Amino acid sequence: EDQVTQSPEALRLQEGESSSLNCSYTVSGLRGLFWYRQDPGKGPEFLFTLYSAGEEKEKERLKATLTKKESFLHITAPKPEDSATYLCAVGMKTSYDKVIFGPGTSLSVIP
Amino acid sequence: GAVVSQHPSRVICKSGTSVKIECRSLDFQATTMFWYRQFPKQSLMLMATSNEGSKATYEQGVEKDKFLINHASLTLSTLTVTSAHPEDSSFYICSARDPGSLPQETQYFGPGTRLLVL
Repeated sequence: EDQVTQSPEALRLQEGESSSLNCSYTVSGLRGLFWYRQDPGKGPEFLFTLYSAGEEKEKERLKATLTKKESFLHITAPKPEDSATYLCAVGMKTSYDKVIFGPGTSLSVIP
Repeated sequence: GAVVSQHPSRVICKSGTSVKIECRSLDFQATTMFWYRQFPKQSLMLMATSNEGSKATYEQGVEKDKFLINHASLTLSTLTVTSAHPEDSSFYICSARDPGSLPQETQYFGPGTRLLVL
């Protein structure tokens, strides 16, 4: 069965304390892996798309990496404004349209 | 670029009434739009895929007669919740793919609509 899991469920960091969020997936064929940020009461905001193992993408304090089984979202020296829920989603080769979302990691960055 | 809007942002209705939610792509034409539902502290669940000019494709377990989807133009899709009941209360989010931007598979999301059925 195709599925996406994320860990931890919630993470509290002090401002400046770097950490990583994990997204593990089991799908029949990976078409692409997507990272989104979602603020409370808002729609998800697109961050990155990764396609193949070894690929990395960076944006400000965020860096996403991909292996054959999982992806990591590294947050370097986070700030309070990085507090949000980070969602991972996987697109499958068997369906161009459908993506499966993970449950998300709720990140809180304390000043 | 790739901006998606939704209207209304919040709606409260009485049980038994119907509610229409609009999803618009503001700066691109979207041949495909998606409708999701999100319960508190849960992730997004795909309800249906909406293709311009054709019938929507519903996910297993989603009642097509209850959640009517119309994608009449390249910039507008609507979701109508018919005969709404309290259990339909949720956060409804639409998304769209922008064929003019890369990567083309990326979905861009609207701000969501909070529905409360009393």
